[in-house]
Amino acid sequence: AQSVAQPEDQVNVAEGNPLTVKCTYSVSGNPYLFWYVQYPNRGLQFLLKYITGDNLVKGSYGFEAEFNKSQTSFHLKKPSALVSDSALYFCAEVTTDSWGKLQFGAGTQVVVTP
Amino acid sequence: DAGITQSPRHKVTETGTPVTLRCHQTENHRYMYWYRQDPGHGLRLIHYSYGVKDTDKGEVSDGYSVSRSKTEDFLLTLESATSSQTSVYFCATLRDRGNSNQPQHFGDGTRLSIL
Repeated sequence: AQSVAQPEDQVNVAEGNPLTVKCTYSVSGNPYLFWYVQYPNRGLQFLLKYITGDNLVKGSYGFEAEFNKSQTSFHLKKPSALVSDSALYFCAEVTTDSWGKLQFGAGTQVVVTP
Repeated sequence: DAGITQSPRHKVTETGTPVTLRCHQTENHRYMYWYRQDPGHGLRLIHYSYGVKDTDKGEVSDGYSVSRSKTEDFLLTLESATSSQTSVYFCATLRDRGNSNQPQHFGDGTRLSIL
């Protein structure tokens, strides 16, 4: 069965330090991968995606993600975290049955302290 | 975003009562999805629709039914609510499955508490 793993329930980082949120996926072949962010009492907002091509993907709000096929990973990164980056982050992959369905990781709470 | 409105935004009800949640979209997207969000589980797919009157089950469909009589509306019904269905429910849309490399658009959710 497909699965997306986010091994950390919470990541704590000081403002200005680099931020990494980990994700591993399970789809073989060429996966479609997404990162979303959720602020309190809001829906999910799209950050970035990997479809094909360059393994380093740049997205919104200064975030980027690195696709690594050999490690089946798609880690989210930001060089210098802001307090406003504190939120819940979800990694997701498109299922292989072509109905556009998403399989989500459990989510990682990011806490950025001043 | 795709102009997605979920209603109600909050609801408290009692075990055994029927509950219907509504998702309304204004972008004419063909695909619509209902997810539930629970701590430690991320979002899990309940049901999805690939057109008017065309729906199918997702990962956690037991106890839920859906209907889609118009492109813009996707209803989720709990026929007899149970406490295990206390959750936050999200609706999402996608223009077409040929666009599955595009992000789904999400509503702001409905927080449902079943006592």
